[in-house]
Amino acid sequence: GAVVSQHPSRVICKSGTSVKIECRSLDFQATTMFWYRQFPKQSLMLMATSNEGSKATYEQGVEKDKFLINHASLTLSTLTVTSAHPEDSSFYICSARRRSNEQFFGPGTRLTVL
Amino acid sequence: AQTVTQSQPEMSVQEAETVTLSCTYDTSESDYYLFWYKQPPSRQMILVIRQEAYKQQNATENRFSVNFQKAAKSFSLKISDSQLGDAAMYFCAYRNSGGSNYKLTFGKGTLLTVNP
Repeated sequence: GAVVSQHPSRVICKSGTSVKIECRSLDFQATTMFWYRQFPKQSLMLMATSNEGSKATYEQGVEKDKFLINHASLTLSTLTVTSAHPEDSSFYICSARRRSNEQFFGPGTRLTVL
Repeated sequence: AQTVTQSQPEMSVQEAETVTLSCTYDTSESDYYLFWYKQPPSRQMILVIRQEAYKQQNATENRFSVNFQKAAKSFSLKISDSQLGDAAMYFCAYRNSGGSNYKLTFGKGTLLTVNP
């Protein structure tokens, strides 16, 4: 199957700082990438959909100025959590859609905001 | 909007036995995809099986099979000969097949425990 990587896998930051998470499709071009948030023992909640070269589409209730998404190329999307606070601590997962419409998930990034 | 419901927060099964995880969904679409994903403790999402709504035949992948009842909007997962490695969180998911919306809608998940 196709491979999607995320970096970093874990990050701890101080409140008020910004954190960038990268999502890369390693062996295919991803026309669309998705960002999810997952709280402990809960399901994945879609935050936004990003298409290469265009602005991301955010789900209702997700602050676009708080969670900046950039999809600069067909293999890379980044999620920046700006001015992070403890309530932003969560597990963030990306997925990438191949032209065949199959989606592949990254391994996730655990963010802890102190 | 589409919704996916998994009514079993937790299930357990003895090793080598069979277990069925339930999933129902709601949609007004006639063509769509349904998925079962596994999330082990590593938290990597793994596709277990996929069903296309226009196909009447139930999908199977080795020990995993589904019972797809389109009229009832039901999509259950059967795991045969359960193995310790099957222990994980299982999510049922829905996706429209047409248009430009490729979003997945997930259920709340079922935590499966496999007892030796």
